[in-house]
Amino acid sequence: SELTQDSAVSVALGQTVTITCRGDSLHTYYATWFQQRPGQAPVLVFYGKNNRPSGIPDRFSGSSSGNTASLTITGAQAEDEADYYCNSWDITGDHYVFGGGTQVTV
Amino acid sequence: QITLKESGPTLVKPTQTLTLTCDFSGFSLTSLTTGVGWIRQPPGKALEFLALVYGDDDKRYRPSLKSRLTIAKDTSKSQVVLTMTNMDPVDTATYFCTFRGRSDNFENWGQGTLVTVSS
Repeated sequence: SELTQDSAVSVALGQTVTITCRGDSLHTYYATWFQQRPGQAPVLVFYGKNNRPSGIPDRFSGSSSGNTASLTITGAQAEDEADYYCNSWDITGDHYVFGGGTQVTV
Repeated sequence: QITLKESGPTLVKPTQTLTLTCDFSGFSLTSLTTGVGWIRQPPGKALEFLALVYGDDDKRYRPSLKSRLTIAKDTSKSQVVLTMTNMDPVDTATYFCTFRGRSDNFENWGQGTLVTVSS
């Protein structure tokens, strides 16, 4: 994968967890983050410099520096237990790429 | 309200061609700022971008599969069709149709359709 994520992280209920995504294309393009619960389609949770779609709780936030993008869940809830995928353009800007996904356990 | 729904065969044999249709509503695929993409997910594995068609008919493909993929839009029917030739068991996956909106992101997803490749 051209975007690299940790395979799994765990967080205690109510605590904060940060998921990272690394890739050369992130020097140029922002990452997008998706949440995927088991058996469901992915849901867009954060994108761009600082954008959360309508309906996504404000405990989800994102940041970016150099070749690394991060998604932070502040005050994790049980319903946040899911797989999280980062997504961006490839370094040439020709096609999209996804990270390998991070399984978050609350 | 934007909706997308995938349809197609649930089982294909190796070497056959897969044709999937995405029926969408709530937007018109005529603007260069909108698009419809296909993304797949093998069982237990990560999401994989396959193809995207914009409203101006610009098309993007996953480089490793470009020779096997064709994406086409039918604006009059509000459909996008993906064909993948020479199917192999490793192509077994859930195939999702997605709406790429003005935010330059996959904003809405269909429920996905599981395609199994087996003889």
